[in-house]
Amino acid sequence: GAGVSQSPSNKVTEKGKDVELRCDPISGHTALYWYRQSLGQGLEFLIYFQGNSAPDKSGLPSDRFSAERTGGSVSTLTIQRTQQEDSAVYLCASSLEQESNYGYTFGSGTRLTVV
Amino acid sequence: LAKTAQPISMDSYEGQEVNITCSHNNIATNDYITWYQQFPSQGPRFIIQGYKTKVTNEVASLFIPADRKSSTLSLPRVSLSDTAVYYCLVGDNNAGNNRKLIWGLGTSLAVNP
Repeated sequence: GAGVSQSPSNKVTEKGKDVELRCDPISGHTALYWYRQSLGQGLEFLIYFQGNSAPDKSGLPSDRFSAERTGGSVSTLTIQRTQQEDSAVYLCASSLEQESNYGYTFGSGTRLTVV
Repeated sequence: LAKTAQPISMDSYEGQEVNITCSHNNIATNDYITWYQQFPSQGPRFIIQGYKTKVTNEVASLFIPADRKSSTLSLPRVSLSDTAVYYCLVGDNNAGNNRKLIWGLGTSLAVNP
């Protein structure tokens, strides 16, 4: 597709359950980012993938969070044993390795609600 | 990377010009200034980017003074659909450094009829 696609758009889960969030980046974009946005807050960086390099996981808030990127394209963010504080919008973005004059492109996000 | 400061909220009316100023006193030589727009239930969307002086596209203009310690996003003749949160970010253009960009609370612009 033309843009970054995320699924599901909304997810309600019970505390303690695992969830998987999917991101389909723009074709040809080698860089992929996951962010979290809590209500009324700015974006919080979680993890960054660039080509075949080891991902930068420095933003993951705990070891319950993990992410994969298969074949340099689709990425999955997994949250194990979800907690209520994990409730947020999870945003994925992609870009070319070197951006000039147009930043990076975000998906519409997955709104996660842990009850 | 440089931090930014911008007003938390602004109000305007349809047809007016809106100017949102962002301060970035610690901007580095290689840093660009980029503005994003975010509507409810959507991810941020790139609006405009500049390095110095003035940049204009079909959506907005960006004014950057010579010292580059601030920038002003100018939205001409706003409409109700311009109601959104506007983020100012400062950093170089390398994809690897995008992850280090600090996203503040942005400026929540409300356009009234």
